[in-house]
Amino acid sequence: EAQVTQNPRYLITVTGKKLTVTCSQNMNHEYMSWYRQDPGLGLRQIYYSMNVEVTDKGDVPEGYKVSRKEKRNFPLILESPSPNQTSLYFCASSLSAGLGAEAFFGQGTRLTVV
Amino acid sequence: AQSVTQLGSHVSVSEGALVLLRCNYSSSVPPYLFWYVQYPNQGLQLLLKYTTGATLVKGINGFEAEFKKSETSFHLTKPSAHMSDAAEYFCAVSFNDMRFGAGTRLTVKP
Repeated sequence: EAQVTQNPRYLITVTGKKLTVTCSQNMNHEYMSWYRQDPGLGLRQIYYSMNVEVTDKGDVPEGYKVSRKEKRNFPLILESPSPNQTSLYFCASSLSAGLGAEAFFGQGTRLTVV
Repeated sequence: AQSVTQLGSHVSVSEGALVLLRCNYSSSVPPYLFWYVQYPNQGLQLLLKYTTGATLVKGINGFEAEFKKSETSFHLTKPSAHMSDAAEYFCAVSFNDMRFGAGTRLTVKP
């Protein structure tokens, strides 16, 4: 089954404790991205990756890191989480960056930073 | 730069009534437009998309949307709402990347 898998689904952590949210896709997609969803703001892009070893900042990259060492995996790293990073996070993948390519989304990770 | 604006953060309809969710886009090039649906505790899934060709696009679950270039709109409709349609709906525009609207939460009253 074609899918994007994120882990964990739910995470509560304390300020400053490094964490990683994993994302994996099995569709051989070139393009992967991370979004955060906040009420009234829709989905805002954090980082994206056009291909292996190629990543770039989205609209709200501050406080986040990513890596793309393999095509299928695109982890999101919070080196020192803060309460304003409490949010719902989605990983997505698609065949290409745009041009009508459908984005496939993971189930989401609800992060709470206390 | 591309963007979408969804008019109305909350829409409430009665079961069996028409559903109309509004989306206007801004794009300097011919846009690719999408509607996604998010059910509670789930990720987003594609309802329908417009790329080129026919301006009336049919999607899953009886939804459709019409691309109107003159109005820069891509409104989502369904003739008769069902309780299972209660969800959050996102309009998106894509060229180099995908930009989402703020979302519209649809409530369906029995």
